[in-house]
Amino acid sequence: ETGVTQTPRHLVMGMTNKKSLKCEQHLGHNAMYWYKQSAKKPLELMFVYSLEERVENNSVPSRFSPECPNSSHLFLHLHTLQPEDSALYLCASSQDDQANYGYTFGSGTRLTVV
Amino acid sequence: GQSLEQPSEVTAVEGAIVQINCTYQTSGFYGLSWYQQHDGGAPTFLSYNALDGLEETGRFSSFLSRSDSYGYLLLQELQMKDSASYFCAVLNQAGTALIFGKGTTLSVSS
Repeated sequence: ETGVTQTPRHLVMGMTNKKSLKCEQHLGHNAMYWYKQSAKKPLELMFVYSLEERVENNSVPSRFSPECPNSSHLFLHLHTLQPEDSALYLCASSQDDQANYGYTFGSGTRLTVV
Repeated sequence: GQSLEQPSEVTAVEGAIVQINCTYQTSGFYGLSWYQQHDGGAPTFLSYNALDGLEETGRFSSFLSRSDSYGYLLLQELQMKDSASYFCAVLNQAGTALIFGKGTTLSVSS
């Protein structure tokens, strides 16, 4: 257990479905992140939340909608996804002013869009 | 823009030493980080260099040359369990989050 818990670990969804990914941390961190990891591509930054405020939206399609209700929880709501959205979605957390010193990642949600 | 370049694959045998290089292009450089990710697992933080030179942590060391926009991760006394992907990372231009290289897959054989 890494200190950051992501659920579910695996998700298969149709293109017309709506689902949500959940991330939870109890490390006392105040910044949380969503990254997408596809085969043969670098980890792509999607969203950044600092003190529960969204500080970055990295040109992500609107079919991905983040939510950060408090500093311990982060969600990624999914709707009308495309097959190319199939990937590993990783959540991470850090102390905001120490983002450069180390993120703690969750084990990710492996998403398959059919 | 920002970019990080690292080799896609490296192979080595147990007990050997391997060096994984990373060159970067970025403005507002704050430092270079390294992460390890085993297949199916979470990336884990290995090291961070803000200043030039070599930082040693057990069998792993990390080096930075700011003037050359270059760094490397040095793994000594390789073990089978070191087989994993290794990513270098720098802060984005906004200073809000890390951006990562494509990763280097290290395969250690006996």
